[in-house]
Formats: sequence, C-alpha cells, structure tokens
Amino acid sequence: SAVISQKPSRDICQRGTSLTIQCQVDSQVTMMFWYRQQPGQSLTLIATANQGSEATYESGFVIDKFPISRPNLTFSTLTVSNMSPEDSSIYLCSVERDRQETQYFGPGTRLLVL
Amino acid sequence: AQKITQTQPGMFVQEKEAVTLDCTYDTSDQSYGLFWYKQPSSGEMIFLIYQGSYDEQNATEGRYSLNFQKARKSANLVISASQLGDSAMYFCAMQGQGGSEKLVFGKGTKLTVNP
Repeated sequence: SAVISQKPSRDICQRGTSLTIQCQVDSQVTMMFWYRQQPGQSLTLIATANQGSEATYESGFVIDKFPISRPNLTFSTLTVSNMSPEDSSIYLCSVERDRQETQYFGPGTRLLVL
Repeated sequence: AQKITQTQPGMFVQEKEAVTLDCTYDTSDQSYGLFWYKQPSSGEMIFLIYQGSYDEQNATEGRYSLNFQKARKSANLVISASQLGDSAMYFCAMQGQGGSEKLVFGKGTKLTVNP
C-alpha cells in the first residue's frame, strides 16, 4: 500500500470562498482520484486527476467548481470554489499504484461551509 | 452501468461473534473487482479485502473473508471474532475492468459491536 496524506485534515469556511486540498503520496502512482462523501452518504467520484493534462470529470462535476491539478506522479490538489453549505462533505483522494490495482485512500478532509 | 446494493443500514453483533454484511452487485462487465472498505468515525477509508471476478477461491484476509457467489452476484463480507474496534461503516465497492478505474460504492452498513 501507499502512505497518503491530505492537507488540511479539516476546515470551516465561509460561503463564497474557495479551499484547496492537497494530496501527497510517498511514492509514484499511476492513478489519482478525488471523491466526495456528503454527510451520511456514500462516496462519489468527482474526477480522475491526470498527470500533465486536464482532469477527467464525472457527470455532475465541472472544472470551474472543482479545479484539479496533478503536476507530478505523487501530488494532486482539489479546489472547491465559490463554496456553499451544500459543499460540506468529506473529500478523499485515492491512488492506484498501477492500473486496475487496489485503490488506497487518504485520511480525508472534513469541510464545513457556513 | 454498475450498481452496488447494501440492504442493511445497520447491524449489531456481540463481541467475539461472527457477522455477515451483505452486498449484491450488478454489472455487464465480464471482468470486475469487488472491494470492501471500513470507515471508522475518523472518516478514513481502510481497504479490507478484494475479490476478482475470475478468482475461484473466496478471498480471506485475517478475520475478514469474502463470500463470493458469482451466479447470485453477491459478495458478502464475513467478520469472524468481532472486536469492539470493528464498529464502523462498511462499504462494498466495485470496479469494472473494461476501462474506467472508477470505484462504485454501495450506501454502506453501520456495524456496532456490543461488549
């Protein structure tokens, strides 16, 4: 497995502001993903972070709202833009060392938007 | 499209007893993977066990085993000798192997282990 860290671990933000979440892996991985878990719900994939190119977004998620960067094979960021209370969720990054292998998750970022 | 169904919102078990968490799935993929994750109240997602659709043997990892019945499209998680630390949400997930790496999750089961 990989050691994955996320920053911040939690935050409380005001509506209309933006927050950037970082995901750092201790070794190079092929695939990185960002998921959202709304309160009391299951996980939903936001996008696949592609190294050196634009992220691939799932239906219902757009780049303007959730811009993603992946400058190298160990690091990615997710920005939650123009936040509203509905964005209050746990945001988790996950990685696959190689394609079609087990996805391991970071510890998550708990976001509360007031 | 892939779908995971977990019909047990909550389960209770006595410490040291075994418990089975149900998971059924639906997919048109011939090849796929099934996963179970544990999510304690801290929020992290902990990988427990994996079963490939072509694996003939049921997967086991310590106290966790996966009861895979392909014809019934079920992948139940069995936890033996439950411990208080097993209290958490448990999610069943599927990954198709036709291209997309996306994990599709069920709604989860909240397991409570009673002393």
